[in-house]
Amino acid sequence: AQTVTQSQPEMSVQEAETVTLSCTYDTSESDYYLFWYKQPPSRQMILVIRQEAYKQQNATENRFSVNFQKAAKSFSLKISDSQLGDAAMYFCAYRSAPTFTGTASKLTFGTGTRLQVTL
Amino acid sequence: KAGVTQTPRYLIKTRGQQVTLSCSPISGHRSVSWYQQTPGQGLQFLFEYFSETQRNKGNFPGRFSGRQFSNSRSEMNVSTLELGDSALYLCASSLGGDNTEAFFGQGTRLTVV
Repeated sequence: AQTVTQSQPEMSVQEAETVTLSCTYDTSESDYYLFWYKQPPSRQMILVIRQEAYKQQNATENRFSVNFQKAAKSFSLKISDSQLGDAAMYFCAYRSAPTFTGTASKLTFGTGTRLQVTL
Repeated sequence: KAGVTQTPRYLIKTRGQQVTLSCSPISGHRSVSWYQQTPGQGLQFLFEYFSETQRNKGNFPGRFSGRQFSNSRSEMNVSTLELGDSALYLCASSLGGDNTEAFFGQGTRLTVV
C-alpha cells in the first residue's frame, strides 16, 4: 500500500515571498502520478499541479512548481510570490498509473499542511 | 460547464438512522469516487464507480455503500449511523480511461447527533 507523508502541519509565509511545502511518499510502483490539491475554507478541493512519475522534468503552473525527486520519493511544492488567496490547506496526493483493465482513480492523501499568508 | 454537484450541502442525522448523499459528476465524466474527510483520520477513500460498476473500495464497514446510475450520477448510503460517521463527504469525478485528473465537489457535511 502507498503512503503519503506531509511533515509540516502548518506553514506561514509573508505576501510576495516564497514558501516550500514538503511531501514524501512510499510506493513499490514505478509508474504513478503525484498531485498537490488546495482546500480553501469553502472546502472544495482544487487541483494545483500534477506530476507524472515517468517525466523527469518538474511540473510548473504559473507561480506553483514542484521539486520531484523520484529516487528519494520526495515531491515538494514551491509557491512563489505568495498571495493572500493562497491561504488554504494543501494536500499532497498519490495515484497509481492506469492499468490495462481500466483506470483506478483512488487518491491517497497526506495529512495536509495549513498555509497562512501574512501581510 | 457545470462542476461536480453534491447534495445536500449540510445534513444532521440521529444515531441509528440512515442517510443518502448524492453526487452529479461533470458532464461526460464516467468515474465517480467518494472520500471521507475527518479531523482525526484525514481524507480516506471510500469507493470508486465507473460505468455503474464499483471498481475499487476502501477499508470501510459494510454500512457504507454506493451505486452509480446510467447517467453517471452516484449516491452513497450510510446505514445505522454512528457518531464517528460525522464528516465531510467529498465526491470526485473524472473522465476515466487514461485521464487522471479528478475534480471535486464542495462536499456534504454530515453531522450525526
